[in-house]
Amino acid sequence: GESVGLHLPTLSVQEGDNSIINCAYSNSASDYFIWYKQESGKGPQFIIDIRSNMDKRQGQRVTVLLNKTVKHLSLQIAATQPGDSAVYFCAENRNNQGGKLIFGQGTELSVKP
Amino acid sequence: EAGVAQSPRYKIIEKRQSVAFWCNPISGHATLYWYQQILGQGPKLLIQFQNNGVVDDSQLPKDRFSAERLKGVDSTLKIQPAKLEDSAVYLCASRKFTGNEQFFGPGTRLTVL
Repeated sequence: GESVGLHLPTLSVQEGDNSIINCAYSNSASDYFIWYKQESGKGPQFIIDIRSNMDKRQGQRVTVLLNKTVKHLSLQIAATQPGDSAVYFCAENRNNQGGKLIFGQGTELSVKP
Repeated sequence: EAGVAQSPRYKIIEKRQSVAFWCNPISGHATLYWYQQILGQGPKLLIQFQNNGVVDDSQLPKDRFSAERLKGVDSTLKIQPAKLEDSAVYLCASRKFTGNEQFFGPGTRLTVL
């Protein structure tokens, strides 16, 4: 069935530490993966994406790693800040289904000052 | 550029009543999505439009949910009659025809009593 899931529902880190949020996906045909950040009362906000022909992509303070062998995706946030506190979702995009996004359940990141 | 607009932001109704949500996508975005996000879960796609045509409505409970995008711009999502389990945030997103990134609105939080 369709399934994109996260290993941990909550993650608490100290301000300034690095955060790692993990995600498992089930469909090996997915060609594009996205990480979204959702703050309370807001819609999901795009953070970073990665295509299936890549294994790493870096943005500003964020890095996404893709391991297609074990169908695993991770989001690394460097020097985590209080403003990073939110729920993080991974999503797989299926272009062969009209760009349909399948979201995981989400990980709530709490940053302790 | 202006983001995706949704209204109302909050709605409280009793079961068996009807409700309608409105979405105005980003100008020029041909693809429009409606998602349902139950508390503690990731968004789940209900329906996808390409201009004014339906691309995917496989997960839309058609006995009570309906959606339209008559002129290929704004869209409305209706629930009639509502059930308790319809309590959720209803998110609208839009995407350029040639792009991958979906831009989300703030959502409408529906509470069914």
